[in-house]
Amino acid sequence: GNSVTQMEGPVTLSEEAFLTINCTYTATGYPSLFWYVQYPGEGLQLLLKATKADDKGSNKGFEATYRKETTSFHLEKGSVQVSDSAVYFCALTAGGTSYGKLTFGQGTILTVHP
Amino acid sequence: DARVTQTPRHKVTEMGQEVTMRCQPILGHNTVFWYRQTMMQGLELLAYFRNRAPLDDSGMPKDRFSAEMPDATLATLKIQPSEPRDSAVYFCASGEGQGQSYEQYFGPGTRLTVT
Repeated sequence: GNSVTQMEGPVTLSEEAFLTINCTYTATGYPSLFWYVQYPGEGLQLLLKATKADDKGSNKGFEATYRKETTSFHLEKGSVQVSDSAVYFCALTAGGTSYGKLTFGQGTILTVHP
Repeated sequence: DARVTQTPRHKVTEMGQEVTMRCQPILGHNTVFWYRQTMMQGLELLAYFRNRAPLDDSGMPKDRFSAEMPDATLATLKIQPSEPRDSAVYFCASGEGQGQSYEQYFGPGTRLTVT
């Protein structure tokens, strides 16, 4: 079956530090890959996505590249801000008849200190 | 700015009571998902619908949970009878798209506490 594994958290950084959150996946076929972010007390929001190998998704300074050879989709940001403190979820959908059903990783808590 | 709405936002109830959570998907979205989030289990998919028809409810405890879409603008999740272990945040999400281009849009959640 499909699965997503994220690096264990929580992650604590100082403002302007470099961020990497690792994500690897197992899936049949050619999944689409997503990063969702959840701010305190809110629902999940789509942060970025990539639908085929070597695609780079980007949004709000965050980037992730779909690496089929390593089955990875690591999230990066060059300079984090306090407002980036949230929970980040890596996810995939296998397309076909799944109609967008997402398989999520366990989430990584990010805390950024001033 | 179209959003998924959920009511109530918070619910406290006693064990054994019926709980009904409601979701209004984004107009035009043809797929609706129900998730449960807890610290221990993370995000779990309970059920989902396409064009109001249930596609998969294997994540739901069948004896006490039920999910329906009476019409295209309303999805409901009921728990009867509720138990303390049902305490969690329940999210509804709606989506549109085809094949690999699907995106889901999440509501703000219903925080349920069963005492």
